[in-house]
Amino acid sequence: DVKVTQSSRYLVKRTGEKVFLECVQDMDHENMFWYRQDPGLGLRLIYFSYDVKMKEKGDIPEGYSVSREKKERFSLILESASTNQTSMYLCASSLGQFRNTDTQYFGPGTRLTVL
Amino acid sequence: AQKVTQAQTEISVVEKEDVTLDCVYETRDTTYYLFWYKQPPSGELVFLIRRNSFDEQNEISGRYSWNFQKSTSSFNFTITASQVVDSAVYFCALSDYSGGGADGLTFGKGTHLIIQP
Repeated sequence: DVKVTQSSRYLVKRTGEKVFLECVQDMDHENMFWYRQDPGLGLRLIYFSYDVKMKEKGDIPEGYSVSREKKERFSLILESASTNQTSMYLCASSLGQFRNTDTQYFGPGTRLTVL
Repeated sequence: AQKVTQAQTEISVVEKEDVTLDCVYETRDTTYYLFWYKQPPSGELVFLIRRNSFDEQNEISGRYSWNFQKSTSSFNFTITASQVVDSAVYFCALSDYSGGGADGLTFGKGTHLIIQP
């Protein structure tokens, strides 16, 4: 079974804090993705990675960075959290044979609140 | 540019009714893939189906069926004899080879389906 896990289901942080969201997949997938989901805006891609130590910007990378030191782990970093980063964050992974069109499998999501 | 439109924001039906969720997409590519995901109240997106642009056959899986029509750029999803457990937000998504810098999926805004007992 495909398994993507995220470190926290709910997280509350204060403005200005550095925040780490962790994602782990156990399917030996090449590709990993971070999305945020907001009411009325749907899901938007923040960053993605096709290989270890490799990252590419998505549609809304401002205010975020990522790290992929190991194939199975992809971290999203909020360097200085702000209230407009309050959102649901979803991690996904896909096999990697066909970069753009493989099925993406999602984790349970982290609901982040920044006060 | 890619675009996915799910015009129905919310649908409410009574259990056992059939319901169809609409999805209309835009892409300049001739090769592309379409997806449906289900997001129950727990929040996790659950993969339902992946269909490539060259396969226009309708797909049936139990009570679920999908109608892909390239002529109208639509990929509609029907639930037959709906059940309360089908209550969720359903997302249609598109991916193609045009990239454009972001290789993730392009999602519609989702349809919130409510099945009343």
